Amino acid sequence: DTAVSQTPKYLVTQMGNDKSIKCEQNLGHDTMYWYKQDSKKFLKIMFSYNNKELIINETVPNRFSPKSPDKAHLNLHINSLELGDSAVYFCASSQQGDYGYTFGSGTRLTVV
Amino acid sequence: DAKTTQPTSMDCAEGRAANLPCNHSTISGNEYVYWYRQIHSQGPQYIIHGLKNNETNEMASLIITEDRKSSTLILPHATLRDTAVYYCIVTSTGKLIFGQGTTLQVKP
Repeated sequence: DTAVSQTPKYLVTQMGNDKSIKCEQNLGHDTMYWYKQDSKKFLKIMFSYNNKELIINETVPNRFSPKSPDKAHLNLHINSLELGDSAVYFCASSQQGDYGYTFGSGTRLTVV
Repeated sequence: DAKTTQPTSMDCAEGRAANLPCNHSTISGNEYVYWYRQIHSQGPQYIIHGLKNNETNEMASLIITEDRKSSTLILPHATLRDTAVYYCIVTSTGKLIFGQGTTLQVKP
């Protein structure tokens, strides 16, 4: 049973499209995160939700909108995709105050 | 959160101990030292963390100097599967900021 699962694993789409990436965790954690890893391999935090409430929102274009229907799910919707959005997106979860995050295996997004 | 400095890359012979250093000279009293690693194309993996005392778990040992300005992650018997990028992170704010990390290459 995968602890943090992301779907899809790979996503190839054209510029201008709207796409979503889904994340689910079965660890009972109350906090979830989205990270972006670009071609230079730097991992940058994008968003964090605690019990469905947004607690971290880094400087991310408003084309990116996270949604947390419940504390086990955190989805990422991206509007009007651009070439620069191509990256690997990682979802993670933890208990608030515990920085031992569990990461998913990533979604490789390619915008053409 | 305090800034960390790590060597860009290191090599280690298979079966030997891998000692990965990290400097965090501006660490404050309530900040923890966390270590993660990322094996190629996988999500980062939590290894170990500590505040003041040395820590050991099934994966590694963490040695923190008495002044807390530096630490060393020790993989006691490195295997080829330990080849990865290792990140040292200092935080108290609730978010992990990943730096460049150290690329550890374990060689046969």
